[in-house]
Amino acid sequence: EIVMTQSPATLSVSPGERATLSCRASQSVSSNLAWYQQKPGQAPRLLIYDASTRATGIPVSFSGSGSGTEFTLTISSLQSEDFAVYYCQQYNNWPLTFGGGTKVEIK
Amino acid sequence: EVQLGESGGGLVQPGGSLRLSCAASGFIFSSYWMSWVRQAPGKGLEWVANIQRDGSEEYYVDSVKGRFTISRDNAKKSLYLQMNDLRAEDTAVYYCAGAGGWLRFDLWGRGTLVTVSS
Repeated sequence: EIVMTQSPATLSVSPGERATLSCRASQSVSSNLAWYQQKPGQAPRLLIYDASTRATGIPVSFSGSGSGTEFTLTISSLQSEDFAVYYCQQYNNWPLTFGGGTKVEIK
Repeated sequence: EVQLGESGGGLVQPGGSLRLSCAASGFIFSSYWMSWVRQAPGKGLEWVANIQRDGSEEYYVDSVKGRFTISRDNAKKSLYLQMNDLRAEDTAVYYCAGAGGWLRFDLWGRGTLVTVSS
């Protein structure tokens, strides 16, 4: 099983600032990596797939990078609606696995 | 409008069974891999099971193999999860999710809560 490790667990950021979230895979997942956003009481929403492709309707303030075992989600300028929990997920191997999540909170 | 709507959750005793359903609308259901993803209270996301577009292949996380069965009816645009021998650790919100591309989840339902407790 590929273990996905996200860091930090919590990120405190002021509105308008940049946020950088990391995701590491225990073995290579190529570019088969997705990022999701989840707000309290809501289902997750796909933000990024194939490591760097924005999903439909996702603002350009969200960007993804990386390949192999190291990945990054960057939110260029945090808006109030961006404070949420973010998960990475690999879909290179079975079982599909998620990271433990990074909570982005208001500083 | 694209929609996924889960039903069938509830309270069940350990060792009991439950069948979850997910009704799809607003997209070509038969073109999507479909999945169940769960989230225990206050915890992260865990993939549970996947089924191929035509139902010919199924995949499961080890912890549910032999106990859970995923199935679909493309004519009814519906996804199912038969859960047997339920355990306390199966307590979670179960989401129905669809993957239009290769196994990343584009579409999500609102989830249905399954509580396993005596």
